[in-house]
Amino acid sequence: AQSVSQHNHHVILSEAASLELGCNYSYGGTVNLFWYVQYPGQHLQLLLKYFSGDPLVKGIKGFEAEFIKSKFSFNLRKPSVQWSDTAEYFCAVNRERGSQGNLIFGKGTKLSVKP
Amino acid sequence: DSGVTQTPKHLITATGQRVTLRCSPRSGDLSVYWYQQSLDQGLQFLIQYYNGEERAKGNILERFSAQQFPDLHSELNLSSLELGDSALYFCASSVTPQGETQYFGPGTRLLVL
Repeated sequence: AQSVSQHNHHVILSEAASLELGCNYSYGGTVNLFWYVQYPGQHLQLLLKYFSGDPLVKGIKGFEAEFIKSKFSFNLRKPSVQWSDTAEYFCAVNRERGSQGNLIFGKGTKLSVKP
Repeated sequence: DSGVTQTPKHLITATGQRVTLRCSPRSGDLSVYWYQQSLDQGLQFLIQYYNGEERAKGNILERFSAQQFPDLHSELNLSSLELGDSALYFCASSVTPQGETQYFGPGTRLLVL
């Protein structure tokens, strides 16, 4: 069965620090990969997605992610975080060209940015 | 604003009761997904509909059911509610059934007392 692992449960950073959140998935076939963000009390918003092509994907708010196929990883990065990035971040996958599109989510990583 | 709407925003009810959650997808989206977010289980897929037909089932309990109507809005019915059903229920929509990009609604927070 497909699964998604996010290595860090809670990350605490100071403003201007660099961020890297790990995500690994297990699935033998080709997948689509996503990062969603959930600000406190709000719904999930799509940060970025990877379907194919350049493995370095740029998203909104200065986030980027790199797909490394050999490592089954899709890590999220941001060079300099801001207090407003405080949120929970979810990595998700679904099967490319699958008959159904449901997302499999990781458990999430809470990011707290200290001003 | 994702364009996906969900009502109600909050729901408080008692064990054994039945509730209905409603979702309207983004204009033009034919596929609707329901997810449950709880502290212990995280975000879990419940069920998917595409153009009125059930497409996929995830970890949905037998006490739960859903449907998608001709106008494409969807309802999730939860019955014989238990304390453990307290959670945030999200609806998402996408254009195709493969769900390349899913847009999430604001969620319904259900509290079962």
